[in-house]
Formats: sequence, structure tokens, C-alpha cells
Amino acid sequence: EIVMTQSPATLSMSPGERATLSCRASQSVSSNLAWYQQKPGQTPRLLIYGASTRATGVPAGFSGSGSGTEFTLTISSLQSEDFAFYYCQQYNDWPRTFGGGTKVEIK
Amino acid sequence: EVQLVESGGDVAQSGESLTLSCVASGFSFHHYSMHWVRQAPGKGLEWVGLISWDGGSTYFADSVKGRFSLSRDNSENSLFLHMGNLRTEDTALYYCARDGAAYSYSSMDVWGKGTTVTVSA
Repeated sequence: EIVMTQSPATLSMSPGERATLSCRASQSVSSNLAWYQQKPGQTPRLLIYGASTRATGVPAGFSGSGSGTEFTLTISSLQSEDFAFYYCQQYNDWPRTFGGGTKVEIK
Repeated sequence: EVQLVESGGDVAQSGESLTLSCVASGFSFHHYSMHWVRQAPGKGLEWVGLISWDGGSTYFADSVKGRFSLSRDNSENSLFLHMGNLRTEDTALYYCARDGAAYSYSSMDVWGKGTTVTVSA
């Protein structure tokens, strides 16, 4: 199966700062990569699909990039509501696999 | 409003079976493949399986292959996860999620609130 590795595990940031989250696939997933946000006690929310396409209603401050095995989620200016867990997921092959997640916490 | 509502979560003993249900509303259920994703307490997301829009194809994570199966009733907008030979490591919150692409396979764009399964030894 394709192993998805996210780094860092925890990102300590201040509001207004730019956050960069990384996701690496153990083999190429082309652009079949999604990012999800999950706040404590809440359901995951699709942010990005196709590596770089924002899902409906996702603010422009979220952007995704990359292809193949290296991907990045960038939050241009952290708002209070952006402090959460973020997961990448590949949908290029079976079984679908998630990364272990990155926690973005307030510094 | 597009909505998914899971039910059927319970406490079970190791080796027992359980069936989870997910009822969809607000969209053409028969057009979409459906996923199950689980989250153990304090852990990340783990994909469990998918059933295609017509029920003709199913795919599973290695951790549940041979123990879990999927079915759907498109006339009732319902999805089912049949869980057999349960293990303590199956303890988790189970989400059903819609695949984002009609008649294809993509990311998961709509999620339910989940139902909890607890397996004791």
C-alpha cells in the first residue's frame, strides 16, 4: 500500500503567520491527493482535492501544491479557526491511505 | 441539504459481529461511491473501505479485509458496513463519507458525524 508521511507532526504558529504543511507519498500518486481539516470533536472537512483545487466554500487562504510524491498545504495567514488537525490522503490506488496528520497549534 | 447519518454503533465482544448503517439524503445516492473511514480514540483517520455507486465493486483496507463487507440499498439511500470477527483494535468512531465524483472515484467530500464501536476483549 502507499504510505503517506506528513511533517511536521506538530506546527506551533502564531495567528497571522504563514503555515506550510508537507505530505510525502511512498510512490507516485500523480495529483490524486486530498487535504482534510479536522477540529477537535468535529467531522473531517475536505479542503483540497486534485492536489490544488479548493473544495466548495474553502477560503482562498488555503492552497495546495505538488504532484507525484511531494505535496504541500499552505495557509497564507493563520486565523483562529485554522488551528486544527490536517490530514493528506491519496486516492490514486487501493487501498486509500491517509497521512498521520499535522496538528497546527497556537504558539 | 446533503446529509449522511450513521447508526448501529455499539459495544461488542471480540469475535462478535456488528452492522453499521448510513442513510443519505439531499443528493442522488445511486450516483456516488461511498466510503467508511474510522478514527480510533486520540488517533488519526484510517480508511476502511469503499463500495461503488452500483454496489458492483468493493475495496478494503488490509486491516479489515476478509472480516468486513459492504452493501448498499440504493432504493433506500442506505449503506451498510458488516463487521465480523471484531477485534479490540476495531474500536473507533466510524464515519461514512461520500466520494466526491459521480460514477468515478475521488476524495471524500461529504461526511457524517460518525457512530462509535467499542470492542472489548
